[in-house]
Amino acid sequence: EPEVTQTPSHQVTQMGQEVILRCVPISNHLYFYWYRQILGQKVEFLVSFYNNEISEKSEIFDDQFSVERPDGSNFTLKIRSTKLEDSAMYFCASTQEEKLFFGSGTQLSVL
Amino acid sequence: GQQLNQSPQSMFIQEGEDVSMNCTSSSIFNTWLWYKQDPGEGPVLLIALYKAGELTSNGRLTAQFGITRKDSFLNISASIPSDVGIYFCAGQINSGGGADGLTFGKGTHLIIQP
Repeated sequence: EPEVTQTPSHQVTQMGQEVILRCVPISNHLYFYWYRQILGQKVEFLVSFYNNEISEKSEIFDDQFSVERPDGSNFTLKIRSTKLEDSAMYFCASTQEEKLFFGSGTQLSVL
Repeated sequence: GQQLNQSPQSMFIQEGEDVSMNCTSSSIFNTWLWYKQDPGEGPVLLIALYKAGELTSNGRLTAQFGITRKDSFLNISASIPSDVGIYFCAGQINSGGGADGLTFGKGTHLIIQP
């Protein structure tokens, strides 16, 4: 069964450093997303991406965040200068029409 | 932004019991989704609901999309140990075309005692 894959599964970084989280969405899907989940809390929407541009973004997705689809298969989330409060599980998701399928996440720890 | 109120926050039940959890919102959603999340994993889609009043089953799971479009419930019948996990409801405003992000509830943590 096709699935969304994310790398790395864990990322530890120093505050102020840039991180890039990588995702390979399901191949025939058209819409791509990033969500985050702070430990013990609900999943929160960050950004949606369609047709090579951002469709919608939440208040969390400020100027420190950017997304890119550099080629036909990868979808990345970049955090330019990480803060302690960026520590969370980051989930990539994709859909063809309506049902969202999630990856297993990247656990980001900012020290 | 939209908020979903999910209850109960946690449930401690005996194996074999039926489970019921629900989500309500002050806003109308056109799609309701129920996900299960195991520790360290991403949410896995259980059931998707697209029409008000729709009742959909997936094995021992049954979910309904409320008539008002402001609520949904999920029932699990005859619970088994592998049902343990956190269940999230999620709502989406626009159906058909996935540009809108999902709004998630805070989750129901299901714990099953043997």
